[in-house]
Amino acid sequence: GAGVSQSPRYKVAKRGQDVALRCDPISGHVSLFWYQQALGQGPEFLTYFQNEAQLDKSGLPSDRFFAERPEGSVSTLKIQRTQQEDSAVYLCASSFTPEAQHFGDGTRLSIL
Amino acid sequence: DQQVKQNSPSLSVQEGRISILNCDYTNSMFDYFLWYKKYPAEGPTFLISISSIKDKNEDGRFTVFLNKSAKHLSLHIVPSQPGDSAVYFCAASEGFQKLVFGTGTRLLVSP
Repeated sequence: GAGVSQSPRYKVAKRGQDVALRCDPISGHVSLFWYQQALGQGPEFLTYFQNEAQLDKSGLPSDRFFAERPEGSVSTLKIQRTQQEDSAVYLCASSFTPEAQHFGDGTRLSIL
Repeated sequence: DQQVKQNSPSLSVQEGRISILNCDYTNSMFDYFLWYKKYPAEGPTFLISISSIKDKNEDGRFTVFLNKSAKHLSLHIVPSQPGDSAVYFCAASEGFQKLVFGTGTRLLVSP
C-alpha cells in the first residue's frame, strides 16, 4: 500500500519481556516519528529520525526504550523489560515535506 | 504541563449545521498548527493546517482560524455530515518538528 505500515497491529507480552515494533514509512519520506498514545489521551512524541539519523529522542520515557532506522527507511522501536505502564498504542508517522505527518494505524501493545 | 488543550471532550451536532472545535495552546514558540481526524482502530488522518503567519486557512468544508494573541485556534466544519463523526485532535509544532497533541474532541454528527 501507499501508506505508513506498522506491524504487528496487536502485541500481547508478559511483564519483563522485550518487544519490537516495526514501521514501514511511505517510500521516499525522509522524516520518521514515533508517538505513544495512552487510552483517552492524544499521541505523545517519543523520537524523530531524519533519514538514518536520530535527531531527537527527548520523548523516550526511559532507557528501556530504543529506536533505530539503520538504512533510513524501516524503523524499529524496541522496548526492553516491558512494564504494565508501557501498554499503549504506538504510532509511527512519516513525512516528505515538513508540513504534514502521515500516520500508520499503530501497534496496540498490552503488557500483562 | 499540557501545552495544547482541547477542553471539550465531546460535541454533538445535527447534520447540515456547523461544527466548531476549539483548541488552546500555551507555548508562544509554536508556529504551525494542524488538525487530525481519527476513526477507531485507525491512525490519525491529516485534515488541515495553518502557519502562524496566517489567521485563516480554508479547504472545502473545513476552515481553521488562528488567534495568536489569544493562543487559540478553531476548526469549523460546514455543513457537517454524519461521516465527519470521529475524534478530532489539535496539534502544534515549533519549526515543523515533533507534534504536541491535545487530548481530542469526539464529534458526533447525527442525521
